[in-house]
Amino acid sequence: AQSVTQLGSHVSVSEGALVLLRCNYSSSVPPYLFWYVQYPNQGLQLLLKYTSAATLVKGINGFEAEFKKSETSFHLTKPSAHMSDAAEYFCAVTLNTGGFKTIFGAGTRLFVKA
Amino acid sequence: EPEVTQTPSHQVTQMGQEVILRCVPISNHLYFYWYRQILGQKVEFLVSFYNNEISEKSEIFDDQFSVERPDGSNFTLKIRSTKLEDSAMYFCASSGQTDTQYFGPGTRLTVL
Repeated sequence: AQSVTQLGSHVSVSEGALVLLRCNYSSSVPPYLFWYVQYPNQGLQLLLKYTSAATLVKGINGFEAEFKKSETSFHLTKPSAHMSDAAEYFCAVTLNTGGFKTIFGAGTRLFVKA
Repeated sequence: EPEVTQTPSHQVTQMGQEVILRCVPISNHLYFYWYRQILGQKVEFLVSFYNNEISEKSEIFDDQFSVERPDGSNFTLKIRSTKLEDSAMYFCASSGQTDTQYFGPGTRLTVL
């Protein structure tokens, strides 16, 4: 069965520090992988997606993620955190089941300290 | 830039009442979805809809739930007899021929 695991429900970094949010997936077929961001009281915004074109994917707001098949991982990084990055981040895998069904990880809340 | 819209942003209802949550997907999209997020929990898939029928549904999507595309633009989720545990944020999403789903801002449903 397909699943997504995000390691760490809360991550706290200082402003300017590296952001690393971890995601591992299991999928019986080549996955479509996504990171979404949710700011307080808002909907889900697409950060980036992996669809097999390149293993290193660049997204919005300076985020990027690297797909590592051998590790079944799709970790999200940003070299330098900004206060505005504080939000909940969801890793997700989308399955082609006739439509496209998305399974989300539990989410990681990112705190950025001044 | 086209976006998915949802109304209302917040719905308060009494237990046992029917509610209809409305969504306007991106106009040229063909696949439509509903997800929910109970406060403090992960986003959960409810149902996907294509070509005027349900293509997949989760175990959450029981007989109390139904979806409809009543016209060329709206996509609705109906809960026939709401329960306290239906309180959640409900997200509509749509996608075109690709895998990427675009989500609406959500409707917060509060069942009293």
